[in-house]
Formats: sequence, C-alpha cells, structure tokens
Amino acid sequence: ETGVTQSPTHLIKTRGQQVTLRCSSQSGHNTVSWYQQALGQGPQFIFQYYREEENGRGNFPPRFSGLQFPNYSSELNVNALELDDSALYLCASTLGIPGAVPRAAYEQYFGPGTRLTVT
Amino acid sequence: AQSVTQPDIHITVSEGASLELRCNYSYGATPYLFWYVQSPGQGLQLLLKYFSGDTLVQGIKGFEAEFKRSQSSFNLRKPSVHWSDAAEYFCAVGHYGGSQGNLIFGKGTKLSVKP
Repeated sequence: ETGVTQSPTHLIKTRGQQVTLRCSSQSGHNTVSWYQQALGQGPQFIFQYYREEENGRGNFPPRFSGLQFPNYSSELNVNALELDDSALYLCASTLGIPGAVPRAAYEQYFGPGTRLTVT
Repeated sequence: AQSVTQPDIHITVSEGASLELRCNYSYGATPYLFWYVQSPGQGLQLLLKYFSGDTLVQGIKGFEAEFKRSQSSFNLRKPSVHWSDAAEYFCAVGHYGGSQGNLIFGKGTKLSVKP
C-alpha cells in the first residue's frame, strides 16, 4: 500500500508569483483534502476534492484553487502569493463514498507536506 | 461554530513519567474526535480516533484517550513517556462539510521529554 506523497518538499517563491503543489493520494483513496499549517498553528482546511470536483472549502480566498485528476492525484495552486502564504501545506487522502459520509471519511491520511516560503 | 482548544502550548515531562494532554471541543452534534502526532518536519500521523461506544479508546504507541461528553473533552494519556514521544500533538474534530468530511484542528501541544 502506497502512502500519500507530496512534491516538492520545499519551495521558495517571491511575493506576487504563482505556485503549484502536487499530491498523490494513498492507494485506493478517491478524496483529497488540502490543509495549510502556519508556523505554530494547527492545520487549517483549505478545500477538498472528490471525483475531480471541489467538494467543500474552508475560509480561503479564490486565489487558492485546485484540481483532481482521474487517478485521484491533486494539485493546489496559489496565485498572487503573499508573505502570509508561507506555511506547510499538507495533503490528506481518504475514501469517499457517493451519497454518504462514512466515519472513515474523517480518518484522513496525511502526506509529509510541502514547505512554502514566500519572500 | 465548531472549534477545538488545546489549552497547553508546551509541556515538558521526564522520561518514564505519565502524560496527559488536554483537548476541549465545541461541536453541536456527537463529535468524531482524533489525535494526531507530528514530528519535526513531518506530516501528521493518526494516533487514535473516537466515533462512538466505549469512551476510552486505545491507539498506537501506547496512547489512549477518554471522551467525556459532560466536559466536552478528549484528553490524551500515556502511562510512561519515552524520549521518542517528543513531538507536537494535535486534537481534531470531524466536521461535516460539503458531501464529505474534513477536520478542524486545535493549535497543538508541543511535548518535550527530559532524560
């Protein structure tokens, strides 16, 4: 069983630039969630993708967007980077079931994260 | 709004001593509760989970947690701490959003272990 993987590990960008982060979900998982973890804080939910569509979003502006591909991998895109976007970005995968929210949907498996630094 | 509070930012215990990390939640319905651990530079690893039933749940690495509805708490415990337990611990509540669930996390408690 392959775990959740993320790339790149670290990234340095300049304010105003755009960035794309990538995530491969755990084998058999069809739902991917993205979280932002600022220094000294707990992870905050950005959004979730299920069946290639955004399915739930936290309190993040539209410049945070994403994609999910047929193989369930996902991208997080952030436009017009701001200094406050510096954080660890975590991807989590789980198994979603159509028309249901099983308990297992909350049992999310996290990748190692991508550390983004905006200067 | 749903929220999770971890009152202790940083705790230091001696190796071999017992440990209790506090977690309080605010949630309208019966909560799904989780504890995750994060080692430096790493992602989050699930320690244990509570959905329903027995209020004392066992997890990995010798950890356990007790759900107390009357106190809105889900405290994490370990009878004897090992140096390798030094890490940051996050309590989370499952939140129903969209047609799938996600997690609301506390701010974490950093655990240091003295030799």
